[in-house]
Amino acid sequence: DTGVSQDPRHKITKRGQNVTFRCDPISEHNRLYWYRQTLGQGPEFLTYFQNEAQLEKSRLLSDRFSAERPKGSFSTLEIQRTEQGDSAMYLCASSLGQGISNQPQHFGDGTRLSIL
Amino acid sequence: AQSVTQLDSHVSVSEGTPVLLRCNYSSSYSPSLFWYVQHPNKGLQLLLKYTSAATLVKGINGFEAEFKKSETSFHLTKPSAHMSDAAEYFCVVSLTNSGNTPLVFGKGTRLSVIA
Repeated sequence: DTGVSQDPRHKITKRGQNVTFRCDPISEHNRLYWYRQTLGQGPEFLTYFQNEAQLEKSRLLSDRFSAERPKGSFSTLEIQRTEQGDSAMYLCASSLGQGISNQPQHFGDGTRLSIL
Repeated sequence: AQSVTQLDSHVSVSEGTPVLLRCNYSSSYSPSLFWYVQHPNKGLQLLLKYTSAATLVKGINGFEAEFKKSETSFHLTKPSAHMSDAAEYFCVVSLTNSGNTPLVFGKGTRLSVIA
């Protein structure tokens, strides 16, 4: 079963460095979502795509955050000039999209980011 | 705006006794509601979803939830807790009513099961 795959599982970096995470969705899913989860909290929505189109990005936490899905398959989330407050679990999810209502989102195991 | 409130941050039950995890929602339209479970260092798994077809929703692993519009509640229950049920549970609502949209999560309820 090829579920949602995220790479790396863990990332440790120094403050000020740039980091990039990758998400490979379930192959037939055309919607892809990014969330952030801090300790003791529920996941918080960041951005999402329908195929290669980014449908919502106003909830990205700052202009240091950006996401792409250039060919409508895998996606990357980049954080530039990382700060201590960026330490969190970054979750990716995918689902079937437009025209098929209320499809559940399937989540990956996440990338845990630690900023030194 | 869509939101959910999980009324308990931690619930502890004995193995074999019933489980009740409480959730209230706020929505300006008929919501899509979900319960997800997260085991330590694992991703989120869908337990069940409500999409207006039936008010009593059955999910995996013996869990079910009842949508009560008059009380704006969507509580999760299970008749008999098992040790493997110990995890973090999230009540979730869709951000919009157009389907397949981003999710808004509650803060979570940690379920402990005592042998």
